[in-house]
Amino acid sequence: DILMTQSPSSLSASVGDRVTISCRAPEHISNYLNWYQHRPGKAPRLLIYGESSLQSGVPSRFSGSGSGTDFNLTVSSLQPEDFATYYCQQTYSTPTFGQGTRLEIK
Amino acid sequence: QVQLQESGPGRVKPSQTLSLTCTVSGGSITGGRYYWSWIRQPAGKGLEWIGRIYTSGSTNYSPSFKSRVTISLDASKNQFSLNLRSVTGADTAVYYCARDAGYTSYSDSWGQGTLVTVSS
Repeated sequence: DILMTQSPSSLSASVGDRVTISCRAPEHISNYLNWYQHRPGKAPRLLIYGESSLQSGVPSRFSGSGSGTDFNLTVSSLQPEDFATYYCQQTYSTPTFGQGTRLEIK
Repeated sequence: QVQLQESGPGRVKPSQTLSLTCTVSGGSITGGRYYWSWIRQPAGKGLEWIGRIYTSGSTNYSPSFKSRVTISLDASKNQFSLNLRSVTGADTAVYYCARDAGYTSYSDSWGQGTLVTVSS
């Protein structure tokens, strides 16, 4: 298994803030990195696939970047509906998720 | 637009087999280059990837579940299924089915999830 490490595990921010969540892989995984948003009681939602491609219907304030082992999800200006838990997922080998980052309202 | 819906018992006894079905609508389960996956979330924990099946029937399983999981596909019913054997309380979770697309295999469509409790 490729163990994905997310940081921070939780984050407090305000509406309008710019936030970045990081995800690290222990080996090179190319661009096989996806990001999901998960709200309580809802199905996870794909935000970013292939490291930096924005899923259809996802607001452009979400963006992804990476370098093969280190990846970031950035929200340029937080909206109230963005407070949720975010997961990275590698699909370079048998898929695994990061442990999640809980984004809370400050 | 494809839609997925999980179904199955909400309670399973310890040591028994957890069986869930995901019904796909809005498209053929074999019509395209997709994987069909199962993911779960135990209460208070993160997402866990369980395994997936390709339209050809080939499967991949997480090493954490490989010894006791089987995923199968029934094209005639446009469904795929999860069987998890020898369950314990640690298998209590919300179980999701999903469709994986693209060369990087991302889960772009998900079921709403179903809670399965392992309890006697």
